[in-house]
Amino acid sequence: DVKVTQSSRYLVKRTGEKVFLECVQDMDHENMFWYRQDPGLGLRLIYFSYDVKMKEKGDIPEGYSVSREKKERFSLILESASTNQTSMYLCASSRGDNAYEQYFGPGTRLTVT
Amino acid sequence: AQSVTQPDIHITVSEGASLELRCNYSYGATPYLFWYVQSPGQGLQLLLKYFSGDTLVQGIKGFEAEFKRSQSSFNLRKPSVHWSDAAEYFCAVNTGFQKLVFGTGTRLLVSP
Repeated sequence: DVKVTQSSRYLVKRTGEKVFLECVQDMDHENMFWYRQDPGLGLRLIYFSYDVKMKEKGDIPEGYSVSREKKERFSLILESASTNQTSMYLCASSRGDNAYEQYFGPGTRLTVT
Repeated sequence: AQSVTQPDIHITVSEGASLELRCNYSYGATPYLFWYVQSPGQGLQLLLKYFSGDTLVQGIKGFEAEFKRSQSSFNLRKPSVHWSDAAEYFCAVNTGFQKLVFGTGTRLLVSP
């Protein structure tokens, strides 16, 4: 079974803090994705990566950056957290030849106060 | 641009009754279509997918979906709902750029 893990299930941070969300997958997948999920808006893609050190902006990249130094790990960074970044963050991975079949982690619920 | 519409925000179904969740998509070519389920406090799990071929696809947990090109729809069905099916369901379509676009979700409530 594909396993995608996220470093924290719940996180509370203060406005202005730098926040790191970590995601690790164990199936040697080429592609990794970060989404945020908000009620009534569904899932929106923040960034994705199709290879180590490669990244592409998704639909809502503003206020976020990412890092992929190793194939299995994809980090989402909030440079200066703001209250409007309070959300559920979901990481996903997929094979390089089948990017559409994505496997999701359990999510990190981030609250910025 | 590609998009997915799930017109029902909430649906309540009695346990044992049949279920149909609606999904309409907008995509210029033949789409790849997906249904995911998210149980409370969990990530998303793939229920089923359509790439090509038979327009009626079977998935896990007794779910099926039918692709209707003429209606731009990919509705999810289950003949008899169980209490454990209570969850949020997301329809998704490919964008052609290695990405998915998700609908806003339908929350299924199951009454005894």
